[in-house]
Amino acid sequence: DQQVKQNSPSLSVQEGRISILNCDYTNSMFDYFLWYKKYPAEGPTFLISISSIKDKNEDGRFTVFLNKSAKHLSLHIVPSQPGDSAVYFCAAIFDSWGKLQFGAGTQVVVTP
Amino acid sequence: NAGVMQNPRHLVRRRGQEARLRCSPMKGHSHVYWYRQLPEEGLKFMVYLQKENIIDESGMPKERFSAEFPKEGPSILRIQQVVRGDSAAYFCASSGERTDEQYFGPGTRLTVT
Repeated sequence: DQQVKQNSPSLSVQEGRISILNCDYTNSMFDYFLWYKKYPAEGPTFLISISSIKDKNEDGRFTVFLNKSAKHLSLHIVPSQPGDSAVYFCAAIFDSWGKLQFGAGTQVVVTP
Repeated sequence: NAGVMQNPRHLVRRRGQEARLRCSPMKGHSHVYWYRQLPEEGLKFMVYLQKENIIDESGMPKERFSAEFPKEGPSILRIQQVVRGDSAAYFCASSGERTDEQYFGPGTRLTVT
């Protein structure tokens, strides 16, 4: 029962251009959404989050957009840099216990 | 301020042996979560613990798996009689009172031969 879905397993983008990562969810009870970045052989590191009462949150080069009616969120990275090459996970929380539900991840490769 | 520590980083066990994975949360954090990542998949929640209490173990397999977070010392994820399907990366995360701010350790990669 995959409640958080990332349908693009990989994304290749040129350095300096925009990376757009997409995430869909099925559970309308989710009230907080997060993006994590993961390098090989390391744990996920928190990138940016958004509450369900907002539709946009921005932090430097990273912006997350939430469309609740479509149950869809996206992460924009602009401009993309070589160090952004990693796997990006979308995650969601719906209860106070903070049990994160993760998508399968999107591998981003930023090319020179 | 040290981050979340996990050890060992790599663990190799033969089928039928026991695996013990340890997690030391960040200083000041009293909430610990264990997640498992199978190859080509995202992380899956296993269990959520506070000191001396299991709060939510809805993601734990019913048999062979157990977790604890004692008053003193690290949290332990124990897998008895390991099978090849247990091979995965096991990640621990910790948080303070804001349970949506979880900090992850580097993971333990378990290989069952």
